Amino acid sequence: GENVEQHPSTLSVQEGDSAVIKCTYSDSASNYFPWYKQELGKRPQLIIDIRSNVGEKKDQRIAVTLNKTAKHFSLHITETQPEDSAVYFCAASLNSGYSTLTFGKGTMLLVSP
Amino acid sequence: DVKVTQSSRYLVKRTGEKVFLECVQDMDHENMFWYRQDPGLGLRLIYFSYDVKMKEKGDIPEGYSVSREKKERFSLILESASTNQTSMYLCASSFAVGGETQYFGPGTRLLVL
Repeated sequence: GENVEQHPSTLSVQEGDSAVIKCTYSDSASNYFPWYKQELGKRPQLIIDIRSNVGEKKDQRIAVTLNKTAKHFSLHITETQPEDSAVYFCAASLNSGYSTLTFGKGTMLLVSP
Repeated sequence: DVKVTQSSRYLVKRTGEKVFLECVQDMDHENMFWYRQDPGLGLRLIYFSYDVKMKEKGDIPEGYSVSREKKERFSLILESASTNQTSMYLCASSFAVGGETQYFGPGTRLLVL
């Protein structure tokens, strides 16, 4: 089955800096890659996703890049703010059928004012 | 707005007790999921259901069973709770099993003594 590795497990940045979280996946057939954000005590929520027909997707201060050849994808957050502090999970699956999401172990991002 | 609710936020049970965790979604989603979240291990899939009365094992089904008698409701059952089942349990629902946003409930923190 699919295996998703996520790094780093913790990341501390100063407000205004950029943050990058990286994930690798094992199944070359995977073609859907979402990112979820879980604030302390809250439920995970989708913040951005990318499908394998594109290499990059942006939404304001967040962007995701995908390298299918190398089987890795990354989340980029620019101009970080304290409210970006949360645990971020990457995941991978096929884009159809009964392919379930396989999640990475999560990255705790702490943005200091 | 999608709403996924779980029957309890916190639950304390004794070893050997039968435990029921309930999840309800109001978006007419076909698919529902139960995850277990442990620090450093991310989100691990226990079971999922793609239709009423249909269920599939996830990555860690041992010690758990599920029931889906109505489309909006998905129950997780611990037949005989053990201390190693102390965890946060998250329910989710989506339009499709793969390739679509999953909407999570607030979670149930279960402590088995």
